[in-house]
Amino acid sequence: AQKVTQAQTEISVVEKEDVTLDCVYETRDTTYYLFWYKQPPSGELVFLIRRNSFDEQNEISGRYSWNFQKSTSSFNFTITASQVVDSAVYFCALRETGSGGSNYKLTFGKGTLLTVNP
Amino acid sequence: ETGVTQTPRHLVMGMTNKKSLKCEQHLGHNAMYWYKQSAKKPLELMFVYNFKEQTENNSVPSRFSPECPNSSHLFLHLHTLQPEDSALYLCASSPLGAGVGETQYFGPGTRLLVL
Repeated sequence: AQKVTQAQTEISVVEKEDVTLDCVYETRDTTYYLFWYKQPPSGELVFLIRRNSFDEQNEISGRYSWNFQKSTSSFNFTITASQVVDSAVYFCALRETGSGGSNYKLTFGKGTLLTVNP
Repeated sequence: ETGVTQTPRHLVMGMTNKKSLKCEQHLGHNAMYWYKQSAKKPLELMFVYNFKEQTENNSVPSRFSPECPNSSHLFLHLHTLQPEDSALYLCASSPLGAGVGETQYFGPGTRLLVL
């Protein structure tokens, strides 16, 4: 089973629409970290947010907001009033703190390609 | 320069060539990482260096050979690659030495094509 599932492979919206990117994760750890990264066509992964498992407060940063729900193991990302520059692949990632020395490993989802059309 | 830089940005090589990818971070970080991103697959961690010591080799074939001469530089030496090794190779770094919960910062990647 995948540890990080991004069920939406591709999403296409028109500029100014709101869009939500889903992320569902799986872990047995009580302490873990979740991340979102943006990958524009240039290729570089741009860090957007980190959230630890003990902080369930939703976060808003400008047009971006994140909804962390431990009960459903989800960490969804919403872009409000989308813009063409938001077009990119968005990755959700999980960092666990389990044993075995692998606590530096980021497990990525397969990504969601968001296209915002003018 | 700031952030994480990678050179070259694009590389085409034959299966008998030897080439190296270079990564440099200007962030004062102590951990560096190599990832492979193939089409339609999630990013795969290849190697981790923590304070210049390799701490993770994620079952990577020996035709990939990493080198970390100091905390700011990371190389990936390539030899006798296969066409299926064509991918985007991403370098990342993190501040305190691959600790739990640290944010990793990525470079722009090297897009490799093996013919």
